[in-house]
Amino acid sequence: AQSVAQPEDQVNVAEGNPLTVKCTYSVSGNPYLFWYVQYPNRGLQFLLKYITGDNLVKGSYGFEAEFNKSQTSFHLKKPSALVSDSALYFCAVRDGGYSSASKIIFGSGTRLSIRP
Amino acid sequence: DAGVIQSPRHEVTEMGQEVTLRCKPISGHDYLFWYRQTMMRGLELLIYFNNNVPIDDSGMPEDRFSAKMPNASFSTLKIQPSEPRDSAVYFCASRYRGQGANEKLFFGSGTQLSVL
Repeated sequence: AQSVAQPEDQVNVAEGNPLTVKCTYSVSGNPYLFWYVQYPNRGLQFLLKYITGDNLVKGSYGFEAEFNKSQTSFHLKKPSALVSDSALYFCAVRDGGYSSASKIIFGSGTRLSIRP
Repeated sequence: DAGVIQSPRHEVTEMGQEVTLRCKPISGHDYLFWYRQTMMRGLELLIYFNNNVPIDDSGMPEDRFSAKMPNASFSTLKIQPSEPRDSAVYFCASRYRGQGANEKLFFGSGTQLSVL
């Protein structure tokens, strides 16, 4: 069974500093990995994905994530944080090894707080 | 497209009452997912459908929960009888498998359920 872990409940960063939100995963087959963001009283919005190819993927709002197969990690990063980046971030995984396994599992979420 | 539409936006009910949550996926999408979000358990997958057929309902917490998808444009999640511990935000999401490597989930705005 697939699973995903976000070890930090909250990450606090000063505006202008780089940020990292951590994610590790476990799947039987090839991992399909995603990051979503949730603003207050809203549904989740897609940020970026890794399916195959380059280990560094770029997404919306200047975010990027690095796939590391040996460490089974997919950390979300941004070189320079903005106050408007403050939100709840979810890592998600799907096991790409089975055509019928479209189950997408989310981590527990990490609250990102950017102080001015 | 209007996106994934959920109704009602808020639901307040008393313990023991039946609750029905509704979802209209994006036209053309062939996968539909129901998730539940709580502070304690994060975002949990309850059930998902492919072409209106339930594929995996292993996340449905109890027999009190049931979900249907009578056609491609409508799904319901029913709780009967409801209990206070069912209080949560319930999200519906859809995607189109034909997206291939895109694999993006589109979420509704959620239904905030409060069971008193």
